[in-house]
Amino acid sequence: NAGVTQTPKFQVLKTGQSMTLQCAQDMNHNSMYWYRQDPGMGLRLIYYSASEGTTDKGEVPNGYNVSRLNKREFSLRLESAAPSQTSVYFCAGETGGAGTGELFFGEGSRLTVL
Amino acid sequence: AQSVTQLGSHVSVSEGALVLLRCNYSSSVPPYLFWYVQYPNQGLQLLLKYTSAATLVKGINGFEAEFKKSETSFHLTKPSAHMSDAAEYFCAVGNNFNKFYFGSGTKLNVKP
Repeated sequence: NAGVTQTPKFQVLKTGQSMTLQCAQDMNHNSMYWYRQDPGMGLRLIYYSASEGTTDKGEVPNGYNVSRLNKREFSLRLESAAPSQTSVYFCAGETGGAGTGELFFGEGSRLTVL
Repeated sequence: AQSVTQLGSHVSVSEGALVLLRCNYSSSVPPYLFWYVQYPNQGLQLLLKYTSAATLVKGINGFEAEFKKSETSFHLTKPSAHMSDAAEYFCAVGNNFNKFYFGSGTKLNVKP
């Protein structure tokens, strides 16, 4: 199915472990985003990528790194997971061109850090 | 700086009643404003978007929102609620490339 695909959908980590959340899109989006969703706090932007090979920090980048090696894929890495990073993570691509705000979201990756 | 404030984390209406979800924004320049909907265990979907072409914006599923600059508001309404409207709704603001800020969300409950 066309869209934004996130893997894994669920993950449990121990404090200090590392992992990468993968995101792939087949909708030809130039811009891609990573958000985290926490109860009562809405979505907060972690990182975004305006185009292949470029990335920029959002509101809450600390503890995360990203990689946009090609147009299709935008990965989010946690180098040393902390319990505060327990959250639901959403990847999104921007339809309608850069700056339009028309985001197409994946189904989310639920991460628990013990 | 930009931000949005959604008044009421939970709203409950009866089926057939008016739905009103409130959003106020803060932006130093003319904003883009959005409403998104999230059904359980899914990602967000765009409901509608304001970009200054018209102050009353119509979206999917019978929802609409009115931009009021004097009140810095962008409230979401629907004349008659359906059970299928039960979801969480997010207001968002952006004004230039690549940075969009979401409110904390309002969960809509529709009673039979």
